[in-house]
Amino acid sequence: GEDVEQSLFLSVREGDSSVINCTYTDSSSTYLYWYKQEPGAGLQLLTYIFSNMDMKQDQRLTVLLNKKDKHLSLRIADTQTGDSAIYFCAEKDSSASKIIFGSGTRLSIRP
Amino acid sequence: NAGVMQNPRHLVRRRGQEARLRCSPMKGHSHVYWYRQLPEEGLKFMVYLQKENIIDESGMPKERFSAEFPKEGPSILRIQQVVRGDSAAYFCASSPLAASSYEQYFGPGTRLTVT
Repeated sequence: GEDVEQSLFLSVREGDSSVINCTYTDSSSTYLYWYKQEPGAGLQLLTYIFSNMDMKQDQRLTVLLNKKDKHLSLRIADTQTGDSAIYFCAEKDSSASKIIFGSGTRLSIRP
Repeated sequence: NAGVMQNPRHLVRRRGQEARLRCSPMKGHSHVYWYRQLPEEGLKFMVYLQKENIIDESGMPKERFSAEFPKEGPSILRIQQVVRGDSAAYFCASSPLAASSYEQYFGPGTRLTVT
């Protein structure tokens, strides 16, 4: 079945880069997403990538997709305290109605 | 352009009561999705609706849960005879196009607490 896996925690120093990794099992995934959730809040779509792309950059965010290994990563450059949140990796098949989410990676920032 | 709206934001119910969660999609969106987030977990798909039709309810529990999206008014997720295990955040999303679209815009969620 479809599954999305990601590590539960990541701690980085302020100003360093954060790299959050994710693996997925559905080979027919068409869209892959990164969402951000702050405490008690809803989900904010940070960025997405189509499966026919290898990389996407958007300001401080870089998404890398290795389709062969079914591995997705999110790099946040110059991590700031405002980046503290839970980051969800997610995928969707173009023929499906549902988005499949990972369990989330809690990013904490050290001073 | 207002985003997806959900109300109430917080709902407390005693065991055995009914919970009604409402979702107003973004203007111009006719596709609505409900997801549930249990504590410390990711979101799990529950149901996908278009106006007056349930398209995919593969994630809905078989009993006590129902959803509708009437011609007029918001989409409603209804949980009858709530139990403690129903305590979760319930998120609604909407999209302008069919399910094949990549876009789903999420609301702020309703946090249900069952005491």
